[in-house]
Amino acid sequence: EPEVTQTPSHQVTQMGQEVILRCVPISNHLYFYWYRQILGQKVEFLVSFYNNEISEKSEIFDDQFSVERPDGSNFTLKIRSTKLEDSAMYFCASSVRRELETQYFGPGTRLLVL
Amino acid sequence: SQQGEEDPQALSIQEGENATMNCSYKTSINNLQWYRQNSGRGLVHLILIRSNEREKHSGRLRVTLDTSKKSSSLLITASRAADTASYFCATGITGGGNKLTFGTGTQLKVEL
Repeated sequence: EPEVTQTPSHQVTQMGQEVILRCVPISNHLYFYWYRQILGQKVEFLVSFYNNEISEKSEIFDDQFSVERPDGSNFTLKIRSTKLEDSAMYFCASSVRRELETQYFGPGTRLLVL
Repeated sequence: SQQGEEDPQALSIQEGENATMNCSYKTSINNLQWYRQNSGRGLVHLILIRSNEREKHSGRLRVTLDTSKKSSSLLITASRAADTASYFCATGITGGGNKLTFGTGTQLKVEL
């Protein structure tokens, strides 16, 4: 069964460094998302992406964040200058269509900013 | 309170018993989805129920939706130790684009 994959599974970085989290959505899906979950807290929406542009973003998704679909398969989240509070599990998700459709999540990347 | 709150926060039952988790939300929704998360792991999709549906079944799972009360319940029948996990409801809000708003989760522990 097709699934969303994410790399790396864990990343440790120094504050102020740039990180790129990678995702391969399910191949026939058209909508892509990033969510994050700070330890012990709710899963929070960051951004949705469709047709090579951001369709919606949350207040969390500030200028330090960017997303890109560099080729036909990968979907990346870049954090330009990491902060301690960026430490979280980051989940990529994809769906076939927009509303009324299941979003399938990847296994997540655990980011630790020191 | 916030969009998507599960009740109870924690539930401990014996294997073979049924587990019921509830989710309440505040605004009008397009759909409601239930996810499972094993400790520190990814989110596994369980079931999606649309706003015009009242009940759905999938294996040992039964989900109900009451839009008049803005609430949903997830019933796991004949629970197993492997069902031990956190369960989250996530709502797709009417006019809210395609983002999901997650609840706080119910931690279910099924003991042998």
